[in-house]
Amino acid sequence: ELKVEQNPLFLSMQEGKNYTIYCNYSTTSDRLYWYRQDPGKSLESLFVLLSNGAVKQEGRLMASLDTKARLSTLHITAAVHDLSATYFCAASQGGSEKLVFGKGTKLTVNP
Amino acid sequence: NAGVTQTPKFQVLKTGQSMTLQCAQDMNHNSMYWYRQDPGMGLRLIYYSASEGTTDKGEVPNGYNVSRLNKREFSLRLESAAPSQTSVYFCASRDPGTGVNEQFFGPGTRLTVL
Repeated sequence: ELKVEQNPLFLSMQEGKNYTIYCNYSTTSDRLYWYRQDPGKSLESLFVLLSNGAVKQEGRLMASLDTKARLSTLHITAAVHDLSATYFCAASQGGSEKLVFGKGTKLTVNP
Repeated sequence: NAGVTQTPKFQVLKTGQSMTLQCAQDMNHNSMYWYRQDPGMGLRLIYYSASEGTTDKGEVPNGYNVSRLNKREFSLRLESAAPSQTSVYFCASRDPGTGVNEQFFGPGTRLTVL
């Protein structure tokens, strides 16, 4: 059974600092997804990582995937307040219809 | 192109009442999903439908039923609501053709059961 764990679950950081959110999954997964959720809103797709070594960047966010370590990271560079949100990773297994989500990381960026 | 739409946005029920949450997508996706989101729990899959006419249980199906009415619409029914079903419910659909398997989410329904 595929399980997905994120850490940390809560992250408070200052503007301008860098940090990384980690997403571990328990069994082989062929795809890894990152979503953002603002308070009271729906989930917005950020990145889809399809293969080992995949790296994608959008603005101050960069996601990577290491399938051998069963690890994905979401790196935040020079954080700004607008990045405050909850970030979820999710994995799917072997063409399965189903996504398994982590519990989310609530990021707060303080001035 | 509205994407995934859900109705209602908010609902308050008394224990034992029934209701149906509606979901529709206009992206011609084959697969549709219902999730619930509870604080600190992430999203948990209730039911999904890989194609019109098929439905399958997810992680937390007890107390729910679903209907895939046609390719566009996938409804979630609570026959006898319980306080434990207080949650935010999200519907999603999946892009079938690109191999990316990305899911797109609706705006959610906030349900409170008293």
